[in-house]
Amino acid sequence: KQEVTQIPAALSVPEGENLVLNCSFTDSAIYNLQWFRQDPGKGLTSLLLIQSSQREQTSGRLNASLDKSSGRSTLYIAASQPGDSATYLCAVTGSQGNLIFGKGTKLSVKP
Amino acid sequence: DGGITQSPKYLFRKEGQNVTLSCEQNLNHDAMYWYRQDPGQGLRLIYYSQIVNDFQKGDIAEGYSVSREKKESFPLTVTSAQKNPTAFYLCASSIDSQGLNTEAFFGQGTRLTVV
Repeated sequence: KQEVTQIPAALSVPEGENLVLNCSFTDSAIYNLQWFRQDPGKGLTSLLLIQSSQREQTSGRLNASLDKSSGRSTLYIAASQPGDSATYLCAVTGSQGNLIFGKGTKLSVKP
Repeated sequence: DGGITQSPKYLFRKEGQNVTLSCEQNLNHDAMYWYRQDPGQGLRLIYYSQIVNDFQKGDIAEGYSVSREKKESFPLTVTSAQKNPTAFYLCASSIDSQGLNTEAFFGQGTRLTVV
């Protein structure tokens, strides 16, 4: 059974720092991997989607990488801002198209 | 604007009541999903539907029911058989459920509380 783990569970950094969030999964047979952002009490906003054949995707200050063979993905956030404070969720797509989620990393960026 | 609309935003249920959560999408997506989010547990799949008039149970389907009579709509009913329904419920959709078209988009959620 696919399991997704995110480390760390929480992270606090000063504004301007570059940071890395980690995601690992146990079964490399995935269609794709998505990173989401969730603000308190809100739904999920899709940040980046990496197809299984791809190695990385970039959007603005965000860069996500995927290494299927080792079951790992990282989300790199450059020059962090207080507005980046949120919970970041990693999810892999299973054989029925459903998402299997990690428990998230709660990020706090201090001004 | 295209997107997924969940209603209501907040819902209160009395013991023994059935309640229905609405999910509507205008993205012309075939696949729709319901997830439950509890603190410290992440999101778990309740039901999913790959096409109209068809749906399958997810990991925690007991105490829930769904229907998919229209492509745009995938309502979730929380029945009295669900013993611990207090949670945040999220609806999602994707173009389809296979291959390259599985990028998921989410609604803003419904917070259900038992009173």
